[in-house]
Amino acid sequence: AQSVTQPDIHITVSEGASLELRCNYSYGATPYLFWYVQSPGQGLQLLLKYFSGDTLVQGIKGFEAEFKRSQSSFNLRKPSVHWSDAAEYFCAVGARGSGNTGKLIFGQGTTLQVKP
Amino acid sequence: DAMVIQNPRYQVTQFGKPVTLSCSQTLNHNVMYWYQQKSSQAPKLLFHYYDKDFNNEADTPDNFQSRRPNTSFCFLDIRSPGLGDAAMYLCATSRVGTGSYEQYFGPGTRLTVT
Repeated sequence: AQSVTQPDIHITVSEGASLELRCNYSYGATPYLFWYVQSPGQGLQLLLKYFSGDTLVQGIKGFEAEFKRSQSSFNLRKPSVHWSDAAEYFCAVGARGSGNTGKLIFGQGTTLQVKP
Repeated sequence: DAMVIQNPRYQVTQFGKPVTLSCSQTLNHNVMYWYQQKSSQAPKLLFHYYDKDFNNEADTPDNFQSRRPNTSFCFLDIRSPGLGDAAMYLCATSRVGTGSYEQYFGPGTRLTVT
């Protein structure tokens, strides 16, 4: 069965420190991969996506993610975290191929807290 | 700016009183989704419309219905809200079939059931 695992439910980092949020997926083939961010009381905003090509993808707000096929992972990174990055982060996968309706499978989310 | 709009942002309804949540989009996307999200959980897909075709998730209660009268609008109807239906309801859209499959989300409607 398809699934997405975000092993870290809650992460706390100091402002200015680097960040890595983990995402592992279980899927029959290489899916489409996404990272979304959600601030309290808001909808989800797309940070970045991987469809094909370069396995290191750049996103908005200084985030990047690396697709590693051998590890079935798509970890999100940021070199220097800002207090405004405190939010909930969701990894998601989507199916490829005909009959695709764009449905996504979401991980359970990682809450990021930023210490001053 | 092209966007996904949800109205109202906050909705209070009484136990058992029907309620309708609204979503509109200016992106001209062919697929519209409705999610339910409870506190500290991932969004849970309720159903989606691919053009005019309605696709219900197997575990979506019959209490939840949806309508899509045209490309731009989609409604979520909760026929008899229970206390357990209090949640954030998110609408999202996607352009499927053109190689771009990301979903764009609205700001959500926070539903309170009293």
